[in-house]
Amino acid sequence: EAQVTQNPRYLITVTGKKLTVTCSQNMNHEYMSWYRQDPGLGLRQIYYSMNVEVTDKGDVPEGYKVSRKEKRNFPLILESPSPNQTSLYFCASSFSIVERYTFGSGTRLTVV
Amino acid sequence: KQEVTQIPAALSVPEGENLVLNCSFTDSAIYNLQWFRQDPGKGLTSLLLIQSSQREQTSGRLNASLDKSSGRSTLYIAASQPGDSATYLCAVNRRNSGYALNFGKGTSLLVTP
Repeated sequence: EAQVTQNPRYLITVTGKKLTVTCSQNMNHEYMSWYRQDPGLGLRQIYYSMNVEVTDKGDVPEGYKVSRKEKRNFPLILESPSPNQTSLYFCASSFSIVERYTFGSGTRLTVV
Repeated sequence: KQEVTQIPAALSVPEGENLVLNCSFTDSAIYNLQWFRQDPGKGLTSLLLIQSSQREQTSGRLNASLDKSSGRSTLYIAASQPGDSATYLCAVNRRNSGYALNFGKGTSLLVTP
């Protein structure tokens, strides 16, 4: 089945403890991106990647890192999480920036 | 900066009604516009994609239109069913300032039996 897989689905962590949210797609998509969804603010892009080793900042990149060493994987790294990064995170992919996007099921992160 | 607005924020209709969801955006420099459905606890499902050169797209009971010059899109749902209950999100794929979808805040739809 064609899909974007995120792990974990739920995570509770403490301030300052480094964490990684994984994202993997099996559709050979070139383009991948991360979004966060917050009440009243909607979905906002964190980072995106046009292809392997090509990444760039989105609208809200502060406090996040990404890497794209393989085409299928695009992990989101929080080096020192803070409570304001408590959110619902989505990974998305598509063949190109003008094609239909496929979203993962989301990761609900709580930082205490 | 691209702003995307969806009206209404919430909508409740009886089963069988036809309904229209509205989306407006401020910058016409877009590649395309997508309509998504989001169910509680789940990810987003792409319903329709309209390229900037197109006027409308249809999929089953769904029809989406795009008027790029006026910055508007509508999603028409025919003969609504309880299974259509979800949040519907409009997203424009902007041409300027990087590559990203700019989302509206969504319309929460409830279809009652």
